Amino acid sequence: GAVVSQHPSRVICKSGTSVKIECRSLDFQATTMFWYRQFPKQSLMLMATSNEGSKATYEQGVEKDKFLINHASLTLSTLTVTSAHPEDSSFYICSARVWGEGYTFGSGTRLTVV
Amino acid sequence: DAKTTQPTSMDCAEGRAANLPCNHSTISGNEYVYWYRQIHSQGPQYIIHGLKNNETNEMASLIITEDRKSSTLILPHATLRDTAVYYCIHGRTGANNLFFGTGTRLTVIP
Repeated sequence: GAVVSQHPSRVICKSGTSVKIECRSLDFQATTMFWYRQFPKQSLMLMATSNEGSKATYEQGVEKDKFLINHASLTLSTLTVTSAHPEDSSFYICSARVWGEGYTFGSGTRLTVV
Repeated sequence: DAKTTQPTSMDCAEGRAANLPCNHSTISGNEYVYWYRQIHSQGPQYIIHGLKNNETNEMASLIITEDRKSSTLILPHATLRDTAVYYCIHGRTGANNLFFGTGTRLTVIP
């Protein structure tokens, strides 16, 4: 089936720095990708929808200037957490819709801000 | 947000069938029922989806009631590796996203 590759799987950064997470669709083109965040023992919460060649759509309460999304090609979407703080520590997951197969998810990125 | 209701947790003996129920009374006529599972610290894994007919694949079976307001995911012979959180979601195939509920934490017991 279709695969979404997400990197890095884990990252530790200092408070105030920025972190970029990549999400690549392998062997298929993804005009739309989705970014989720998951806190411990909670469900996935949709943060934003990434659209190739246009601006991302953010869910209510998600700061677009803090969580920068770039979807410059049909196979790559990136999420940059800017000026990270400890409260941004979370599990970030991307996904893409695969026509005829539903949605496929990346393996997730564990972000720890110290 | 499309809302589903699932038991918070369930246990199942290894080798037995695991039956996971889900209520989705607000489902629309053109919405599918999707099941995903998430093993600790990994991304969700697709299991199965259906519209109104029962479905079966190599992983599981999906039984959807005639009124489509509820469904049951069946893992025919649960193994320890099936321990995970199972999410039931409904949405249109052309929809832009999936909204996750709280899911059912299934523990397979040796």
